Amino acid sequence: GDSVTQMEGPVTLSEEAFLTINCTYTATGYPSLFWYVQYPGEGLQLLLKATKADDKGSNKGFEATYRKETTSFHLEKGSVQVSDSAVYFCALTLNTNAGKSTFGDGTTLTVKP
Amino acid sequence: DTGVSQDPRHKITKRGQNVTFRCDPISEHNRLYWYRQTLGQGPEFLTYFQNEAQLEKSRLLSDRFSAERPKGSFSTLEIQRTEQGDSAMYLCASSFVAGFPHEQFFGPGTRLTVL
Repeated sequence: GDSVTQMEGPVTLSEEAFLTINCTYTATGYPSLFWYVQYPGEGLQLLLKATKADDKGSNKGFEATYRKETTSFHLEKGSVQVSDSAVYFCALTLNTNAGKSTFGDGTTLTVKP
Repeated sequence: DTGVSQDPRHKITKRGQNVTFRCDPISEHNRLYWYRQTLGQGPEFLTYFQNEAQLEKSRLLSDRFSAERPKGSFSTLEIQRTEQGDSAMYLCASSFVAGFPHEQFFGPGTRLTVL
């Protein structure tokens, strides 16, 4: 079946450090790929997305590139802020009628001033 | 539009009791999804509706769970005879089938604690 594997956390960084959170996937079909962010006590918010190979999703300084050859969608940010502290989830959705998503287990990011 | 809303936000119940959660999707969205999220895990798919039709159910959705979307608008998720293993965050999401491929908008979730 479909699955998403994220790097284990938690990740602790100093403000302005470079962030990478690894995500790899296996899919039975052709997926769209997503990164979601979850702040304490809140639901998931879509951070960025990519629908086909070599697409780059970007938002709020975060970027991720859909790499079909390595089945990866790593999240990066050049300079993190304290406000980026949250849990980040990588997810895939097959481009079929159902549209249900498969999520990784999440990576907790803490940014210290 | 205020986004996807869920009620209640928190529910504490005793084992064996029945509970019901409600989800109100974004008004023009025709798809509605339920997920369950346990501590330290990502959300797991439970079921989804297109309009009022329930089109898929996960094997995670035991016979104690039932979901409805009677008029294709709000949805309810009922758990009968709750067990401690049902303690989790229950997330609802909605999407518009003709929109961006499968971009789902999530509600804040209902956190269930079974004592």
